[in-house]
Amino acid sequence: NAGVMQNPRHLVRRRGQEARLRCSPMKGHSHVYWYRQLPEEGLKFMVYLQKENIIDESGMPKERFSAEFPKEGPSILRIQQVVRGDSAAYFCASSPRPQGAYEQYFGPGTRLTVT
Amino acid sequence: AQTVTQSQPEMSVQEAETVTLSCTYDTSESDYYLFWYKQPPSRQMILVIRQEAYKQQNATENRFSVNFQKAAKSFSLKISDSQLGDAAMYFCAYRAYSGAGSYQLTFGKGTKLSVIP
Repeated sequence: NAGVMQNPRHLVRRRGQEARLRCSPMKGHSHVYWYRQLPEEGLKFMVYLQKENIIDESGMPKERFSAEFPKEGPSILRIQQVVRGDSAAYFCASSPRPQGAYEQYFGPGTRLTVT
Repeated sequence: AQTVTQSQPEMSVQEAETVTLSCTYDTSESDYYLFWYKQPPSRQMILVIRQEAYKQQNATENRFSVNFQKAAKSFSLKISDSQLGDAAMYFCAYRAYSGAGSYQLTFGKGTKLSVIP
């Protein structure tokens, strides 16, 4: 059973460009979480999605950031008009259910560098 | 809002010795989950151990064990017989048990563990 897949692993964007980060959850998992890790910091929750629904986006910046998890295909985290402060590692995690003792399985992360 | 505090930015331990990493948290909930995650230089987040707050017994996983003090809101990780491969960042995390919400993980800032040969 393949783990959580994220691509690309590294992404370099110039200021003002768009960044698209992809996450394919583990097989059978329909719950996806996105987290951001700034340098020397712990992971911070951004958004929680189920298939075709955003359940909780309380950790998402109000502007430039959006996320989706379509019926078919990976979950996408999109950052428009990137700025240097967006440079971070972005992690995706998936679980079969959100509640209970279910573990969130993490992908390897995408490191975004904004130049 | 829940908060997780790791007061030791860095720790070191001699190979084969025992080390304890500290974590405290703040919550008004009575039921919740606590986790320790390991992040090696590869940056992959790896679950080390999990504790359900309603269980009084401390969780153990081979060389890893926790000291869960619910009243004190303390959740420390003990690593016995430390190995070179244990060198990593360790993150303590909290997750709600039930109710409304997304069951997001709330992480501490981490403790960087070095293992000295």
